[in-house]
Amino acid sequence: SYELTQPPSVSVSPGQTASITCSGDKLGDRYVCWYQQKPGQSPVRVIYQDSKRPSGIPERFSGSNSGNTATLTISGTQAMDEADYYCQVWGSSAALFGGGTKLTVL
Amino acid sequence: QVQLVQSGAEVKKPGASVKVSCKAFGNTFTTNAIHWVRQAPGQGLEWMGWINAANGNTKYSQKFQDRVAITRDTSASTAYMELNRLTSEDTGVYYCAREGVVVAGYGMDVWGQGTTVTVSS
Repeated sequence: SYELTQPPSVSVSPGQTASITCSGDKLGDRYVCWYQQKPGQSPVRVIYQDSKRPSGIPERFSGSNSGNTATLTISGTQAMDEADYYCQVWGSSAALFGGGTKLTVL
Repeated sequence: QVQLVQSGAEVKKPGASVKVSCKAFGNTFTTNAIHWVRQAPGQGLEWMGWINAANGNTKYSQKFQDRVAITRDTSASTAYMELNRLTSEDTGVYYCAREGVVVAGYGMDVWGQGTTVTVSS
């Protein structure tokens, strides 16, 4: 079965760039979505179709996908960006989430 | 503005069933697909299945295939998720999420507030 691998945690200083990866076999052949989840809240879609940003999502969020790795990049990271982030793809008519990455801003 | 409102928290005994509802406000229900996603305490997101609200077609995760049923009532703009033969491992928060445009890679653009299900003897 298809698997998505994310690092359990990523740390970044305020104002710096955070990169969160999502790896899977030939992931670049699939569309990737990214979701942000803050404690006690429902997830929020921050990137869809690899690199598109929904309305209302700050421009500092961007995405890319090539080869076996998709990357969520947060430029000029702010304290409010501290959250869990999940990648998601479709495979065999079923959705699949990565294990999630906890982003710490310190 | 589109909103998904889920039913309230449930406490169930092992072996019982639970049925969670998800009512859509603010758009045409039948243009959507509704997903159900589970999150165990302290764990990540786990996809359970989805329903095409227009025609009622469903697809389930292999993990839940034999004990989950996702249905919808178009007249009530509501989707339902029923999980049978509950065990303590089913304790968690259950979310419904809309895929507002059923095209590749669009993703789940609106989420319900979550329903906590606790399974305990």
